[in-house]
Amino acid sequence: QQPVQSPQAVILREGEDAVINCSSSKALYSVHWYRQKHGEAPVFLMILLKGGEQKGHDKISASFNEKKQQSSLYLTASQLSYSGTYFCGTVPYSGAGSYQLTFGKGTKLSVIP
Amino acid sequence: GAGVSQSPSNKVTEKGKDVELRCDPISGHTALYWYRQSLGQGLEFLIYFQGNSAPDKSGLPSDRFSAERTGGSVSTLTIQRTQQEDSAVYLCASSCRDSYFGPGTRLTVT
Repeated sequence: QQPVQSPQAVILREGEDAVINCSSSKALYSVHWYRQKHGEAPVFLMILLKGGEQKGHDKISASFNEKKQQSSLYLTASQLSYSGTYFCGTVPYSGAGSYQLTFGKGTKLSVIP
Repeated sequence: GAGVSQSPSNKVTEKGKDVELRCDPISGHTALYWYRQSLGQGLEFLIYFQGNSAPDKSGLPSDRFSAERTGGSVSTLTIQRTQQEDSAVYLCASSCRDSYFGPGTRLTVT
């Protein structure tokens, strides 16, 4: 079952901040964030494994609330290069030992001058 | 190269023909995923391989689709009797913990 992302799309001016949310109906083992630019493959941003974990990559950071089965991606002081579609992928806990990575439908982020 | 590679990069085939898509994962990565992405759409899970375990085939859309992974490394996705709705970009990702995508194969069924 795929995670739900919100918003579906967002337009920012350079320098503005954005938050992209990802939620799942299942208990999660990990959350993965990717950015995909038009015509290219998705590029790995970060993985979060533990409840409450936060990570950062330049001015992009993410949090993972294991109890709520939610993750948020924070983009601060956005740059034109941040434009693209952001996907969250989730791996639920599975007694069968399968670590199926399922993606949300994506959030299209457009940064304008 | 250290990344995931896929071949061919583009494939045009006639409806009804079979196609094989290849994925070379990052060396040492035990997990391998196949996804399909239609134009402007999200990433649709197809199949997942983990080490020597039986693959998770729960995402394969029909029995025309199959995949194998030989020697725990290279994987081949086969689509038999292709249909126009199979047209999409097929992406492979390999994972140790972080997952990295290959450039994809753009399949066009005419």
